Amino acid sequence: KQEVTQIPAALSVPEGENLVLNCSFTDSAIYNLQWFRQDPGKGLTSLLLIQSSQREQTSGRLNASLDKSSGRSTLYIAASQPGDSATYLCAVLMNTGFQKLVFGTGTRLLVSP
Amino acid sequence: GAVVSQHPSRVICKSGTSVKIECRSLDFQATTMFWYRQFPKKSLMLMATSNEGSKATYEQGVEKDKFLINHASLTLSTLTVTSAHPEDSSFYICSASWGGSTDTQYFGPGTRLTVL
Repeated sequence: KQEVTQIPAALSVPEGENLVLNCSFTDSAIYNLQWFRQDPGKGLTSLLLIQSSQREQTSGRLNASLDKSSGRSTLYIAASQPGDSATYLCAVLMNTGFQKLVFGTGTRLLVSP
Repeated sequence: GAVVSQHPSRVICKSGTSVKIECRSLDFQATTMFWYRQFPKKSLMLMATSNEGSKATYEQGVEKDKFLINHASLTLSTLTVTSAHPEDSSFYICSASWGGSTDTQYFGPGTRLTVL
């Protein structure tokens, strides 16, 4: 059974810092890995999607890497801003013939001004 | 494009009543829709997968008689929580995809259910 873990569970940083969020998964039979952002009481916003054959994806101040063999992904946020405060979830799409997304436990990020 | 809506966004009901939540794909045809449940400060757990016109596939541990899912059209799926109890209080999120085995899922904004 796939298990997805995110470390740290919570993170508080001052504005302007660069930070790294970690995601690990136990079963490497994944089709892709996705990072989402969730604001309190809201749905999910997709940030980056990395196919299993890719090593990284970048969008603006965000960079996500994937090491499928070791079961790890990182989300790097450069020059953090208060508006980045949210919960960040990683999710893996299982390579089992159907679209089963397994979500991580999430990292709650607070960026203070 | 690829917008998914949910209605209602928030609902409060009495214990023992049934509540229906709608999930709509607004600008695309969703062959497959998914229902997730999220407990406070926890991650999303897949409850069931539904394909248009067929019965939903429930994840292990999810009571199919408790959580009725209907996917009667390519743009609408409904989740009915029957005989709701306080422990059913949660945040329910749906997602929709065009239907290929690896197609991107587009998520709705979620529905907050509180059972008194």
